[in-house]
Amino acid sequence: DIQLTQSPSSLSASVGDRVTITCRASQSISIYLNWYQQKSGKAPDLLIHDASNLQSGVPSRFSGSGSGTDFTLTISSLQLEDFATYFCQHSYNIPFTFGPGTKVDIK
Amino acid sequence: QVQLQESGPRLVKPSETLSLTCTVSGGSITTSYWTWIRQSPGKGLEWIAYFYHSGSTAYNPSLKSRVTISVDTSKNQFSLNLSSMTTADTATYYCARRFCDRSSCPFDLWGQGTLVTVSS
Repeated sequence: DIQLTQSPSSLSASVGDRVTITCRASQSISIYLNWYQQKSGKAPDLLIHDASNLQSGVPSRFSGSGSGTDFTLTISSLQLEDFATYFCQHSYNIPFTFGPGTKVDIK
Repeated sequence: QVQLQESGPRLVKPSETLSLTCTVSGGSITTSYWTWIRQSPGKGLEWIAYFYHSGSTAYNPSLKSRVTISVDTSKNQFSLNLSSMTTADTATYYCARRFCDRSSCPFDLWGQGTLVTVSS
């Protein structure tokens, strides 16, 4: 199975901060990498697909980059509604797996 | 607007079979891939299986021997059966759409999730 690791596991930030979350795959997965946001008690929401493509309706302050084994999710200016947990997920082969998550909370 | 809703028992006894149903509204079940995913504090998010109405299916090897997926196109529903439940299967179970108009086939729509507890 392809393992996904995320760093950091948690971070504290202020409104307006630039936030960067990293996802690393245990082998090359090309661009078959998606990012999700999950708020407490809710299902995950798709933010980014194919490593760098913004899902329809997602604010442009979110962006993704990377290919191969190293990927990044960036929030350019953190807003109150962005405090949540973020997961990466690969779809390169079976089984699809998720990263352990990065929790973003208020400093 | 397509929406998904899980239904089924909240409490299952050890060794029993869990049966969950996902009802798709606002769109046809025959036009996409559909999937089951679960989330537990210990294992995080775990993909279980997906299917396409034509019969194409794929399972997580770690669960394959215990998982059955079925579909009822007349009701626009699909179901998950997970046998030989143990406390390790306690989790929130989600149904979701796997949207393959994108190369990475992301899970773009999710149900609200249902918490299933395994306990005697």
